[in-house]
Amino acid sequence: SAVISQKPSRDICQRGTSLTIQCQVDSQVTMMFWYRQQPGQSLTLIATANQGSEATYESGFVIDKFPISRPNLTFSTLTVSNMSPEDSSIYLCSVVGLAGALTGRPTDTQYFGPGTRLTVL
Amino acid sequence: GQNIDQPTEMTATEGAIVQINCTYQTSGFNGLFWYQQHAGEAPTFLSYNVLDGLEEKGRFSSFLSRSKGYSYLLLKELQMKDSASYLCAVGQAGTALIFGKGTTLSVSS
Repeated sequence: SAVISQKPSRDICQRGTSLTIQCQVDSQVTMMFWYRQQPGQSLTLIATANQGSEATYESGFVIDKFPISRPNLTFSTLTVSNMSPEDSSIYLCSVVGLAGALTGRPTDTQYFGPGTRLTVL
Repeated sequence: GQNIDQPTEMTATEGAIVQINCTYQTSGFNGLFWYQQHAGEAPTFLSYNVLDGLEEKGRFSSFLSRSKGYSYLLLKELQMKDSASYLCAVGQAGTALIFGKGTTLSVSS
């Protein structure tokens, strides 16, 4: 079974609408991040989702456009607000802190969800 | 500033060996990661180096020199399924990984 899941896996949306993407992890993790990957590009960090407090945004990203929630240690949402075609991208959730004993890997390793492919018309 | 450089594209043939280089300049360092990403899929973890030297995992090996800010990913006995993007990333304690722009590897028969 998948360790990290995202919903929806893809969506096609109209300009001006908003979409909320969910990220669910099977076990508690220390850190959760949201990335954007535009076609043919590498990963761009949007923000760090902080449990119980406001997310920490990277330069060029603001809370009004990308509100993020993280109510507990296993779940986060990213909303893409007032969408335009330039928001068409893959949005990826990433986590740190999957138990090293389970994965055999360093606890700093980031693991990615399957991504949400968003197309804005 | 933070800077991670890797070649944009590489090509190779089946059965060959290819080395993907990565140089980095970052304000902190908590390990060097390599990820593989097939088109349309999420990145998957390949390897991790925190100490200088070579880490070998089957057909894939990764090398790190911290003094030179340099790493490479070595892929042996290339297969068609190895065609993908390979992302170099630097870890910094308590924050997200910093990713390079990725190297797209095309393997031909």
